[in-house]
Amino acid sequence: AQTVTQSQPEMSVQEAETVTLSCTYDTSESDYYLFWYKQPPSRQMILVIRQEAYKQQNATENRFSVNFQKAAKSFSLKISDSQLGDAAMYFCASTIQGAQKLVFGQGTRLTINP
Amino acid sequence: GAVVSQHPSWVICKSGTSVKIECRSLDFQATTMFWYRQFPKQSLMLMATSNEGSKATYEQGVEKDKFLINHASLTLSTLTVTSAHPEDSSFYICSGETGLAGVYEQFFGPGTRLTVL
Repeated sequence: AQTVTQSQPEMSVQEAETVTLSCTYDTSESDYYLFWYKQPPSRQMILVIRQEAYKQQNATENRFSVNFQKAAKSFSLKISDSQLGDAAMYFCASTIQGAQKLVFGQGTRLTINP
Repeated sequence: GAVVSQHPSWVICKSGTSVKIECRSLDFQATTMFWYRQFPKQSLMLMATSNEGSKATYEQGVEKDKFLINHASLTLSTLTVTSAHPEDSSFYICSGETGLAGVYEQFFGPGTRLTVL
């Protein structure tokens, strides 16, 4: 079965500093998408960033960027200039079975220290 | 981004009763919708894939007779928890799939908290 693994249950960072959240995945697909979602206390899932596997260039969205290592099946999220509003659960996810489903990692709880 | 709503946002019911949760895509048509379940401090687990006009596809271990899914239109999918029991208490989240400009994305609803007494 396809799996997504987040090995860091919790992370904390000082406000304005940079933090990296780790994610590895296992797939036999050649074409797939990878995502990072944020779930704040409201529990609304919010898309942070998306990466198409066929693209070699790492995706970036303002303060959020990824380090996509396809051969290593690694997809880490870097948050620069951390803000208090970044505090949330972060889930890494991958599409499976021809982009029809998502499988999620276990999540990383990010705390921002003022 | 596209907007998905869920109703109700929370519901408390007695054991043995049925509860219906609605999921609507407000500004896009979702041929495919997904239903997830999330236990406290855990990740999202896919329960079923709902396709408009056809039967839902359930994940292994999900009881299709307990969790009835109907996708009657391109903007509405419903999840009915039949004969609910305390172990069905959970947070249920739906999402709608889009493939705008060839880019795949799921947009999530705000979730429904179900408590079965």
